[in-house]
Amino acid sequence: QITLKESGPTLVKPTQTLTLTCTFSGFSLSTSGVGVGWIRQPPGKALEWLALIYWNDDKRYSPSLKSRLTITKDTSKNQVVLTMTNMDPVDTATYYCAHRLRRLFDYWGQGTLVTVSS
Amino acid sequence: QSALTQPASVSGSPGQSITISCTGTSSDVGDYNYVSWYQQHPGKAPKLMIYDVSNRPSGVSNRFSGSKSGNTASLTISGLQAEDEADYFCSSYTGSSTLVVFGGGTKLTVL
Repeated sequence: QITLKESGPTLVKPTQTLTLTCTFSGFSLSTSGVGVGWIRQPPGKALEWLALIYWNDDKRYSPSLKSRLTITKDTSKNQVVLTMTNMDPVDTATYYCAHRLRRLFDYWGQGTLVTVSS
Repeated sequence: QSALTQPASVSGSPGQSITISCTGTSSDVGDYNYVSWYQQHPGKAPKLMIYDVSNRPSGVSNRFSGSKSGNTASLTISGLQAEDEADYFCSSYTGSSTLVVFGGGTKLTVL
């Protein structure tokens, strides 16, 4: 059974760096073809893909946010970490991590709401 | 503005069928058979309902079906049930640096 869970701060101040951790079980990020991605959803708005890391450490970023994002993995801990710099109130959203296989996000975490406010 | 266009809301009575559309471009929906649909109840994680345009994951009711024509994908729910009331959103692989695009979501109300 694949499960993922996001963790991190619920409140960050403008200009700060956000660090989110995705802890997963039921699969290994060293298995060929497997990836873990991050997606966010501002309140009442659409989903937006942010970043993706594959089993072979290949990393992909949303072009619009690439300069602010870093995604890393710790295979031994079954964790993926996303950092986003220079946070702004418009970055207030629920952040999800999800398992990716064959060009598909098939299992998602429950998400964590991050509010950016001074 | 979302990359994929969905109606904001649809509604139907129990037992009826509804269809939700998802319109993209020739660079995403029109070019790849990697369209997926998700169901999301309030405060819950998105649940995969349809993948690769028309395939259902194990455990998903056969009342849910998907199709595609040109740049538009569709999700059809037949025999509407109260528990189907949720938000539904579509997603497509793009093959570009954007990689993945999502629809704005459709709120389904079961009357």
